[in-house]
Amino acid sequence: GEDVEQSLFLSVREGDSSVINCTYTDSSSTYLYWYKQEPGAGLQLLTYIFSNMDMKQDQRLTVLLNKKDKHLSLRIADTQTGDSAIYFCAESLGGGYNKLIFGAGTRLAVHP
Amino acid sequence: GAVVSQHPSRVICKSGTSVKIECRSLDFQATTMFWYRQFPKKSLMLMATSNEGSKATYEQGVEKDKFLINHASLTLSTLTVTSAHPEDSSFYICSAFPGTSGRAGAETQYFGPGTRLLVL
Repeated sequence: GEDVEQSLFLSVREGDSSVINCTYTDSSSTYLYWYKQEPGAGLQLLTYIFSNMDMKQDQRLTVLLNKKDKHLSLRIADTQTGDSAIYFCAESLGGGYNKLIFGAGTRLAVHP
Repeated sequence: GAVVSQHPSRVICKSGTSVKIECRSLDFQATTMFWYRQFPKKSLMLMATSNEGSKATYEQGVEKDKFLINHASLTLSTLTVTSAHPEDSSFYICSAFPGTSGRAGAETQYFGPGTRLLVL
């Protein structure tokens, strides 16, 4: 079946790195995504990784994919207060034309 | 690019009335649009997938007669919550897929800002 799990809460100090973890069950997933949601707002795509990749880096964001363990992580370097939000991991069996299966979201709190 | 809007952003209605929510892709044509529902502090659950000019495909457990979806054009999809009840109160989010025509970003959906529905 399709299931995506995330830890619910992470607290970090401003300037430190944040690592948000996600596990998924469907080995057929071809794309894995990270979305950011600020209070009362919709979802903002942060980054995505294709299943044949191990890592993807985009400025302060680094995505690591361990396909064997079905584990995905998002590392945010030099975390800022503006990074405080809920981060959703999602998987898709195809590209954007397929439905996304979301995790419950990780609430990231950044404190001074 | 790839902006999706929703209207209204917030709506309060009385129990028993119907509410229509619009989802528009502003700078691209969306071959497929999706409607999600998000409960407080919970994840997004897909309600239905709609393709322009055809009937929507509903997820298991979603009542198609209660949540009417119309995808009349490549830039507009509407969700109508019919005879709304307090348990329909939620945050409804749409997303749009621009298609695989070689356009950058075709691997993902683009999300609207959401509509908060409160049924009294």
